[in-house]
Amino acid sequence: SQQGEEDPQALSIQEGENATMNCSYKTSINNLQWYRQNSGRGLVHLILIRSNEREKHSGRLRVTLDTSKKSSSLLITASRAADTASYFCASANPYGGATNKLIFGTGTLLAVQP
Amino acid sequence: DVKVTQSSRYLVKRTGEKVFLECVQDMDHENMFWYRQDPGLGLRLIYFSYDVKMKEKGDIPEGYSVSREKKERFSLILESASTNQTSMYLCASTPLGDSPYEQYFGPGTRLTVT
Repeated sequence: SQQGEEDPQALSIQEGENATMNCSYKTSINNLQWYRQNSGRGLVHLILIRSNEREKHSGRLRVTLDTSKKSSSLLITASRAADTASYFCASANPYGGATNKLIFGTGTLLAVQP
Repeated sequence: DVKVTQSSRYLVKRTGEKVFLECVQDMDHENMFWYRQDPGLGLRLIYFSYDVKMKEKGDIPEGYSVSREKKERFSLILESASTNQTSMYLCASTPLGDSPYEQYFGPGTRLTVT
C-alpha cells in the first residue's frame, strides 16, 4: 500500500507553544485531510484542503499543502493540554472516484505538557 | 450529528474462533470502511463497501471477509482468528459522491486473540 509518512513520530511541547506536524504522500491527490485521535478512541476529522488550495485555517489550526513536494503541514497554535492526541494525515486519490477512499499516514503523537 | 457505532469496545477471543465485528451508521451513507490500526503502521484499509451487497478489497484483506446486507450495517468477519489479528479495528462511513467528504469514525474495537 502507498501510505503517507508523518514527521515527527512524536512531539512534546509546553502549553502555549505552537506544534507543527508534517506529512508526505506518494501519489497525486484530490484532497488531503487531517484527523485527530484521542488515546484508544476513533478518529475525528479536523480539516480538509483541496489540491488547488495552498493554505487553510480553522480556529487554531493552519494547514498548508505543497503538491509539488507532495507534502502538507499542520500547525496548532497556542497549544493546550487538551490537544494531546495522535494526528493523522489522509490523502484522497483523484482516481478513487466516488468512494472517497483515503490513504492514512502513520501519525504524529503530540504531548502538550501543562 | 453523524453517529457510527461499533458493537464492542473490547473483545477477547481464542485462536481459531470465528469473530464478528459490527458497525452501524445512522446517516444513510453509501460508503463504509473497515481499517485496522497497529502501532507504527497507521490505519490500513481491510475492506470497503459502496453499496448494499457490494464490497471491495482494501490493502490487507487476507484472513478477513465482510458482509453488507443493509445500508446502515457493515460487518467484518474473522473466519478463524489468529494472534496476528490482535489489533484495534476502526469502522468509518462517508457519503458517495465526487465532492471530497470526510470520513466519520466509530470508537473502535480493540480485539485481543489469545
